[in-house]
Amino acid sequence: DQQVKQNSPSLSVQEGRISILNCDYTNSMFDYFLWYKKYPAEGPTFLISISSIKDKNEDGRFTVFLNKSAKHLSLHIVPSQPGDSAVYFCAATNNAGNMLTFGGGTRLMVKP
Amino acid sequence: EPEVTQTPSHQVTQMGQEVILRCVPISNHLYFYWYRQILGQKVEFLVSFYNNEISEKSEIFDDQFSVERPDGSNFTLKIRSTKLEDSAMYFCASCFSRQETQYFGPGTRLLVL
Repeated sequence: DQQVKQNSPSLSVQEGRISILNCDYTNSMFDYFLWYKKYPAEGPTFLISISSIKDKNEDGRFTVFLNKSAKHLSLHIVPSQPGDSAVYFCAATNNAGNMLTFGGGTRLMVKP
Repeated sequence: EPEVTQTPSHQVTQMGQEVILRCVPISNHLYFYWYRQILGQKVEFLVSFYNNEISEKSEIFDDQFSVERPDGSNFTLKIRSTKLEDSAMYFCASCFSRQETQYFGPGTRLLVL
């Protein structure tokens, strides 16, 4: 049951350039979306979220875009830094505070 | 900054044994969760807990699993009789309200032999 999918298992980007991580979902009941970053042997760390009533949310270098009609969201990181290298998970819920459904993750490598 | 903590960080057990994984959520949070991630797979929801009872659980959370908030700070996950396929990272998460973000602990790596 792949309600949330991240089709790119990995992404490599040069330092200073933009990183774009993508996520698709199938459940139209989802109304709150989150991005988490995860380092090995650590728990997911919250990055940024977006409610379905918005199409963009920005926090410093991180921007999340939501296209409800396409059931697609993306995370933009600009400029990318080597410390951004990690696995990024998108997650969705049908009511913030309910269970999160995660995508499979995208491993981002930012090369100096 | 307050954070969710989990103990132990690693646990190795024999198949059929009981394990208890412990979590201390962020102190003013009211909603508590357990998730797991089998190696190479997605993070999967197990159970949510609010007001001293389970509010939602997944198909994974069968009769072998139970959760408890034995005091004002700890939140535990018990696996009664572990199976090989229970080997995974187990993450605890908490949030203050249903409208807020869930914050995750560092995880417990469980290995069942």
